[in-house]
Amino acid sequence: EVQLVESGGALVQPGGSLRLSCAASGFIFSTSYLNWVRQAPGKGLEWVSLIYGSGHTNYADSVKGRFTISRDKSKNTLFLQMNSLRAEDTAVYYCARYLASSTNTGFDYWGQGTLVTVSA
Amino acid sequence: DIQMTQSPSSVSASVGDRVTITCRASQDIMNWIAWYQQKPGKAPKLLIYAAYSLQSGVPSRFSGSGSGTDFTLTISSLQPEDFAVYYCQQASSIPPTFGGGTKVEIK
Repeated sequence: EVQLVESGGALVQPGGSLRLSCAASGFIFSTSYLNWVRQAPGKGLEWVSLIYGSGHTNYADSVKGRFTISRDKSKNTLFLQMNSLRAEDTAVYYCARYLASSTNTGFDYWGQGTLVTVSA
Repeated sequence: DIQMTQSPSSVSASVGDRVTITCRASQDIMNWIAWYQQKPGKAPKLLIYAAYSLQSGVPSRFSGSGSGTDFTLTISSLQPEDFAVYYCQQASSIPPTFGGGTKVEIK
């Protein structure tokens, strides 16, 4: 069974840092295309970042230079390092997998989400 | 970035009704669109990918159509468990972008 389990969400002050984790199981982690997608309270979905099976990465303009996606293949874990956090980064953060390792499909498995709140 | 405009933003319908949600892309995305259902407090669920391909386990009352810039998600006979928010997402280019959502409410 495919599972994605996020952790690491917390209340953090503006300008602070946080690292989110997503523990994956039930599929071949090393070749999968994995993403972070966020949802601000009461709002829609916003894609944040992607890491390909090759290790290549992409970022939304809104987080470029502040967030870093990475993975530990030995632990089947995806990470999102978030620096210089702003109030507008407040959201539930989901990790999600692209179906069939293709960016032309959709996100077929999602975690339960972890809440990040940026506030003084 | 490709903009996705979804309509309506909300729809009131009864059990058994046919419901249609549309999504318009700001440029040609061929058939690279996905549709999701999201219930309160839950992660989105993939319903349709590549415009009309039904994701495994999704009931056949859900269907997708369209190509180019105009797309449709149809629920042929609304069931009680279908009341939720629905999102489209273009899968043509990075960054993937979502529509604003359509809330399907009980009439």
